[in-house]
Amino acid sequence: DIQMTQSPSSVSASVGDRVTITCRASQDLSRGLAWYQQKPGQAPKLLIYAASSLQSGVPSRFSGSGSGTDFTLTISSLQPEDFATYCCQQAKSFPLTFGGGTKVELK
Amino acid sequence: EVQLLESGGGLVQPGGSLRLSCAASGFTLTSRSMTWVRQAPGKGLEWVSGISRSGDGTYYVDSVKGRFTISRDSSKNTLYLQMNDLRTEDTAVYYCAKASGDWWVGESWGQGTLVIVSS
Repeated sequence: DIQMTQSPSSVSASVGDRVTITCRASQDLSRGLAWYQQKPGQAPKLLIYAASSLQSGVPSRFSGSGSGTDFTLTISSLQPEDFATYCCQQAKSFPLTFGGGTKVELK
Repeated sequence: EVQLLESGGGLVQPGGSLRLSCAASGFTLTSRSMTWVRQAPGKGLEWVSGISRSGDGTYYVDSVKGRFTISRDSSKNTLYLQMNDLRTEDTAVYYCAKASGDWWVGESWGQGTLVIVSS
């Protein structure tokens, strides 16, 4: 199984900050990586797929980069509604696997 | 508008069975691959099972193989997860998700249904 290691597990930031979250895969994913946002009591929301493709309706302050084993989610200017948990998922092979999540908290 | 509505969760004893349903609207189930993902209380996301768009490919995480079965009824536009021999570690919120085109990622999600396995 492909292991997904996400870091950091939490980050404290302020509105307007640039936030970067990384995900490392134990095997080459090519571009088979997605990012989700999840708020308490809600289902996950797809932000990025194919490593860098922005899902329709997602603000452009979210961006994804990387290929192979190392990937990054960047929030260019953190907004109040962005405080949430972010999670990566590899879509290269079964079983699909998720990273452990990064909680973005208010500093 | 795409909507997914899960149902069928509840409290069940270890060794028991449940069948989860995911009623889809706004699209045809046979047009997309579908997945089940679960989240144990206070924990991260875990992919459980998937069914291909054609329906001839079904996939499972090792921990549920032989116990869970994914299926769909095109006449009802509904996805199912039959869960047998339930264990306490199966306790979680179960989400169904519609895949995004050719990618096995969750483009649209239901609100989830809670399964509690406890004596």
